[in-house]
Amino acid sequence: GENVEQHPSTLSVQEGDSAVIKCTYSDSASNYFPWYKQELGKGPQLIIDIRSNVGEKKDQRIAVTLNKTAKHFSLHITETQPEDSAVYFCAAKGGYGQNFVFGPGTRLSVLP
Amino acid sequence: EPEVTQTPSHQVTQMGQEVILRCVPISNHLYFYWYRQILGQKVEFLVSFYNNEISEKSEIFDDQFSVERPDGSNFTLKIRSTKLEDSAMYFCASSSGSSGETQYFGPGTRLLVL
Repeated sequence: GENVEQHPSTLSVQEGDSAVIKCTYSDSASNYFPWYKQELGKGPQLIIDIRSNVGEKKDQRIAVTLNKTAKHFSLHITETQPEDSAVYFCAAKGGYGQNFVFGPGTRLSVLP
Repeated sequence: EPEVTQTPSHQVTQMGQEVILRCVPISNHLYFYWYRQILGQKVEFLVSFYNNEISEKSEIFDDQFSVERPDGSNFTLKIRSTKLEDSAMYFCASSSGSSGETQYFGPGTRLLVL
């Protein structure tokens, strides 16, 4: 089955700097890769996603890149703000199943 | 904006008791999911449900668990005889399609088994 790794587990950046979180997956048939932001006590909220037929997608300060050959995808947050502080989860959905396999999460702290 | 809702937000129960966690998915969605997140760990898939039947389930989803869509709006997760290790956040999610479709998560129910 699918296995998703995520690095780093914790990340601290100064406000205004960029943050990059990387994930790798094992199932080459996976075709959908969402990123979720989870604030304390809340459910995961989708922030951006990418499908396997696209290499990059951007939404304002957030971008995701996908390298299908290497089986890794990354989240890029530019001009970070304190409200970006949260736990970020990447996920991958296999080609044949319906469920997501989540990475272990990255705790991002944006220091003012 | 439509959202997934879950009740209760917190549930405390004694080991061996039955609990039912409730979810109201987004109204035009057809696929429903339950996930579990043990404190400090990653989100884990439990089960997916479509057309009034389970379409996929994980190893976690053993005979103690069951899901039901009792009416046109609610989607429930029942744990028949709770164990200490069932303590976790339980998230419901829904999507309009299955393949490559965005899943929207509810706020979760925090279950504590004593």
